[in-house]
Amino acid sequence: GNSVTQMEGPVTLSEEAFLTINCTYTATGYPSLFWYVQYPGEGLQLLLKATKADDKGSNKGFEATYRKETTSFHLEKGSVQVSDSAVYFCALKIQGAQKLVFGQGTRLTINP
Amino acid sequence: EPEVTQTPSHQVTQMGQEVILRCVPISNHLYFYWYRQILGQKVEFLVSFYNNEISEKSEIFDDQFSVERPDGSNFTLKIRSTKLEDSAMYFCASRAGTSGNSPSTDTQYFGPGTRLTVL
Repeated sequence: GNSVTQMEGPVTLSEEAFLTINCTYTATGYPSLFWYVQYPGEGLQLLLKATKADDKGSNKGFEATYRKETTSFHLEKGSVQVSDSAVYFCALKIQGAQKLVFGQGTRLTINP
Repeated sequence: EPEVTQTPSHQVTQMGQEVILRCVPISNHLYFYWYRQILGQKVEFLVSFYNNEISEKSEIFDDQFSVERPDGSNFTLKIRSTKLEDSAMYFCASRAGTSGNSPSTDTQYFGPGTRLTVL
């Protein structure tokens, strides 16, 4: 079946640290890949996406590259800020299917 | 910027009662979804809706659940007889979509959620 596995949280970093949140997937077919972010008290917001192998999604300083050979879509940011504190969800969608399949989420806390 | 809205933000109900969760999707979107997130667990797909009918549903979406688009703007999720295990955050989402499901219209936009507490 289709599934997404994220690194275990919570993750706590200091401001300006380098961030990596690992995401790997199992999918039948060729999925589109997404990172969503959930700030405290809010809903899910699309952070970035990639629709085919070797595509790089980027937004707000975050990046993730679709790696078909390692079935991964790791989220990175070079210098995190306190305002990046949130829960981050990796997700996939198989072409032709309707649903998003989510990972378990990774809670990120950035300390000043 | 257009956004998906949901009401109420928090609903408390007694076990066995019916609840209706309401969503207003983005106005020109064609595909509508409900997901739920039980506290501490993954976000799970419940159902998708297109052209006034269910297009896909999960095993969670049993006969206790129904969806409706009653008036061309609202999209509702009804739970007929709530159970304790229905307590969760329920998210509505919408997607622009085209008949070809091209990657450029793949993005689902989520509302802020309704927290349902069943006592």
